[in-house]
Amino acid sequence: DTEVTQTPKHLVMGMTNKKSLKCEQHMGHRAMYWYKQKAKKPPELMFVYSYEKLSINESVPSRFSPECPNSSLLNLHLHALQPEDSALYLCASSQEGGRGGNEKLFFGSGTQLSVL
Amino acid sequence: GDSVTQMEGPVTLSEEAFLTINCTYTATGYPSLFWYVQYPGEGLQLLLKATKADDKGSNKGFEATYRKETTSFHLEKGSVQVSDSAVYFCALSSNTGFQKLVFGTGTRLLVSP
Repeated sequence: DTEVTQTPKHLVMGMTNKKSLKCEQHMGHRAMYWYKQKAKKPPELMFVYSYEKLSINESVPSRFSPECPNSSLLNLHLHALQPEDSALYLCASSQEGGRGGNEKLFFGSGTQLSVL
Repeated sequence: GDSVTQMEGPVTLSEEAFLTINCTYTATGYPSLFWYVQYPGEGLQLLLKATKADDKGSNKGFEATYRKETTSFHLEKGSVQVSDSAVYFCALSSNTGFQKLVFGTGTRLLVSP
């Protein structure tokens, strides 16, 4: 299994809603990532978990709350989002824990989020 | 800070044409360099990478050479196919600390039969 699976594929939410994005991998990878990609733009890093510990937070607003319950799962909890948060949210994983800079990242297909 | 600059797209080619997508970078130290490809409706897939100067990455007929003197990592393919139509992202990552990919803006490639 060389896949990173993200659910749901599409999500529409209001600004007062609470929702969660889920990401799963069964490749035994020790680093997991959240990226945000606006339309026709490159992905931008949000968070990195290495060995289930939050290692990088790229100054992401607190309305985005990541969680890594175990080495295979990564969640992104969403609360009080703004319309400008509408984007494709990509999860990725890498084998060695995310250090050293030359690891291959495996990306999921993403969750397309629309905030109304 | 680190940055990647890619040529503007879209690049429109006929099948079997030669492809070049330019990529230059600015970074402190000696980063690793990558090309990722994104097909419509999908996530990104690693196409190739190079971790030090003069390394050549290659995969599926695509290749790119890490040129430190010109800070470039141009993507080339000798004969493109319709199935190569996608968005191509050049990216770098510092070789210290945690993996933080910095992507270029992406170049859309359209190949017609």
